[in-house]
Amino acid sequence: QQQVKQSPQSLIVQKGGISIINCAYENTAFDYFPWYQQFPGKGPALLIAIRPDVSEKKEGRFTISFNKSAKQFSLHIMDSQPGDSATYFCAAKGGYQKVTFGIGTKLQVIP
Amino acid sequence: DTAVSQTPKYLVTQMGNDKSIKCEQNLGHDTMYWYKQDSKKFLKIMFSYNNKELIINETVPNRFSPKSPDKAHLNLHINSLELGDSAVYFCASSQGYRDSPLHFGNGTRLTVT
Repeated sequence: QQQVKQSPQSLIVQKGGISIINCAYENTAFDYFPWYQQFPGKGPALLIAIRPDVSEKKEGRFTISFNKSAKQFSLHIMDSQPGDSATYFCAAKGGYQKVTFGIGTKLQVIP
Repeated sequence: DTAVSQTPKYLVTQMGNDKSIKCEQNLGHDTMYWYKQDSKKFLKIMFSYNNKELIINETVPNRFSPKSPDKAHLNLHINSLELGDSAVYFCASSQGYRDSPLHFGNGTRLTVT
């Protein structure tokens, strides 16, 4: 049972373009939505996170958009760069419960 | 300074053997985890310890046994290794508050032949 559905599984974007990764959740108890970035040979690292009381959070070129009524959230990477090529995981957590991860999106930014 | 370090980085062994992976964190966190990442990159939690107490124990074969000697260490021992155990195992830590992010180590790639 996949509690956090993530799409697409892979994404190829031209340098300078916008990368968009979408996630949807079912459990209304989730109240914290982090995104993790993982480079080959490394562990995932927190990129940006949002609580459901805001609809958008921006940090540099990375923006999370959150739609509470639709139970969807997405990551936008503006001006995508080859150095952004990595696997991105959306995740969700409710209170002190475990973090539930999406299946991951492998992003490739081509020059 | 490595925040979450795990050893070894690579582990190649034969079926039926017993092996251990060690993890240490120097972040002062009170919660530590083991995650398994399969070949399709899916991250699945296996265990979680809070202040040396087991709090999450997912449906994992009992061949896997975690042990936390103190708050800064969480080891994973695997008995009678099987081909399907081949994966990357990540140790992670976090602090107790609800929005505390996970800090992952760089993983141990286990290959069972």
